[in-house]
Amino acid sequence: AQSVTQLDSQVPVFEEAPVELRCNYSSSVSVYLFWYVQYPNQGLQLLLKYLSGSTLVKGINGFEAEFNKSQTSFHLRKPSVHISDTAEYFCAVDAGGTSYGKLTFGQGTILTVHP
Amino acid sequence: DGGITQSPKYLFRKEGQNVTLSCEQNLNHDAMYWYRQDPGQGLRLIYYSQIVNDFQKGDIAEGYSVSREKKESFPLTVTSAQKNPTAFYLCASSIGRLGVEQFFGPGTRLTVL
Repeated sequence: AQSVTQLDSQVPVFEEAPVELRCNYSSSVSVYLFWYVQYPNQGLQLLLKYLSGSTLVKGINGFEAEFNKSQTSFHLRKPSVHISDTAEYFCAVDAGGTSYGKLTFGQGTILTVHP
Repeated sequence: DGGITQSPKYLFRKEGQNVTLSCEQNLNHDAMYWYRQDPGQGLRLIYYSQIVNDFQKGDIAEGYSVSREKKESFPLTVTSAQKNPTAFYLCASSIGRLGVEQFFGPGTRLTVL
């Protein structure tokens, strides 16, 4: 079975500092990877996704992620965070097969940006 | 505007009562999903449906039931058999193909007293 591990449950950072949220997945076969953001008491919103091609993926709000097949990682980065980036972030994988379209989510990382 | 609606936003029920959570989408998506979210546990899949009149159990289906009689609707019933029903419930939909993203509703917070 697929598993996704987000290595940090909470990441505090100061405004305008860079941030990296780490995600590792278990599958060695082709996968499709996603990062979502959730603001308090709301649904999830897609930040970016990796399907194929360039391993560096750019998303909304200045976020980007790098797919590393050998390390089975898909870390999310932003060079300079804002207070408004405070939210919970989820990494997810679609490993396909007979359950195509079904996503497995990590446990989430709460990003708190301090002034 | 196209999207997913969940109602109500907050729901309170007494222990032992069944409760049905609504999920409607007007995105013309084939696939729909129900997740349960608890602090520190991410999203766990309860049920999913890839086409009308068909659905499959997810990872934590015990104590829940669903129906998919219409493409746009996928209601979730939390039964009295669910031992710990208090949680945040999220509905999602997608076009149901490999590698496509899911779109999420705003969620329903269920509290069982």
